[in-house]
Amino acid sequence: QVHLQESGPGLVKPSETLSLTCNVSGGSVRSASYYWSWIRQPPGKGLEWIGYIYYSGNTIYNPSLKSRVTISLDTSQNQFSLKLSSVTAADTAEYYCACEEVAGFAFWGQGTPVTVSS
Amino acid sequence: EIVLTQSPATLSLSPGERATLSCRASQSVSSYLVWYQQKPGQAPRLLIYDASNRATGIPARFSGSGSGTDFTLTISSLEPEDFAVYYCQHRSSWPPWTFGQGTKVEIK
Repeated sequence: QVHLQESGPGLVKPSETLSLTCNVSGGSVRSASYYWSWIRQPPGKGLEWIGYIYYSGNTIYNPSLKSRVTISLDTSQNQFSLKLSSVTAADTAEYYCACEEVAGFAFWGQGTPVTVSS
Repeated sequence: EIVLTQSPATLSLSPGERATLSCRASQSVSSYLVWYQQKPGQAPRLLIYDASNRATGIPARFSGSGSGTDFTLTISSLEPEDFAVYYCQHRSSWPPWTFGQGTKVEIK
């Protein structure tokens, strides 16, 4: 059973960079069995997939965010991270890290709220 | 980008009743369709993958069907803990993976 836990600042100023980390336990980010994703959910709205990273370091991003997103792996800490640059109020959301195993996001973190405001 | 449209937006039912939720894709996703349940303040939970396969630990009252562009999630007899928002998601061909806008199943 993979367990995920997000961490990072809950408040980010407009135009700055949002940085979040997902700590993984019960599984390895070096495993070829998993894809590691970030997903967000604005208040009262639906889910938006941001992108994923594979154990090889290969990444795929949502084209709508691609120019601002970086997802990276830290195998020494068994974690992966999200950076989203030039944030605006539209980036205010609950941010989830999630793990895709066989098919679909089988494991999720509890989510962390991020507000973009000066 | 594949657009997923869920209907209805809200379903008002009583415990014990049957719930039928629909998800329609803007183009074929074959059987690469996933269903999630989300309760307030919680992360989504995987229910069904590849259109009709129940995830580990999911009760048999949840079933999924469909292929191509039209999919259905059925809850055969609603339990009190089933009142929640349900999302579909495709994982067909190439990203971006997209989600439907959700169907809220509420107590009538």
